[in-house]
Amino acid sequence: GQSLEQPSEVTAVEGAIVQINCTYQTSGFYGLSWYQQHDGGAPTFLSYNALDGLEETGRFSSFLSRSDSYGYLLLQELQMKDSASYFCAVSTNAGKSTFGDGTTLTVKP
Amino acid sequence: EAGVAQSPRYKIIEKRQSVAFWCNPISGHATLYWYQQILGQGPKLLIQFQNNGVVDDSQLPKDRFSAERLKGVDSTLKIQPAKLEDSAVYLCASSFQMDSEQYFGPGTRLTVT
Repeated sequence: GQSLEQPSEVTAVEGAIVQINCTYQTSGFYGLSWYQQHDGGAPTFLSYNALDGLEETGRFSSFLSRSDSYGYLLLQELQMKDSASYFCAVSTNAGKSTFGDGTTLTVKP
Repeated sequence: EAGVAQSPRYKIIEKRQSVAFWCNPISGHATLYWYQQILGQGPKLLIQFQNNGVVDDSQLPKDRFSAERLKGVDSTLKIQPAKLEDSAVYLCASSFQMDSEQYFGPGTRLTVT
């Protein structure tokens, strides 16, 4: 089976940088994705890593270390609108998908 | 490009009643997912289709939940009979292929009383 761990809550101030970690245990690991979900909304895709290293998309970056079964999402120049829940999700080489329980990010002025 | 459509958006039923949800994925997307999201938790995969075949239904409570994707396009998820613990948001998502970016629909918020 698959299991993922991420912090339940993170708080940061506007303009700061925040890192949300995700550790996973899975057989047949293929890739790690990150999704954002605002209250009452649907998850939206942010980033994906299949290989070790950093992927950058604007203010958001995601990192993966396959050997450590670890990844993180880095959010820079935080804005109030970034307050949301962030989920990491693993996919396996059989194409199966498992989400973590999410990290609630609160951005304060 | 139209997104993933789901209906209804909200449903309130009594326990032991039945309910059905409908999902229309993005055109051309081969993979369709049904998730259950309980407040404060991450989406839990109930069933995953590749075209009209089932890839994973290991977490689907098959004694009460059923799903189908006839013709590999639209899908329906049914609960019969519903229990109080089924109160959740039911999310449908689709992707072009397995392990590609998932696009989520707005979800159906189910309340079982």
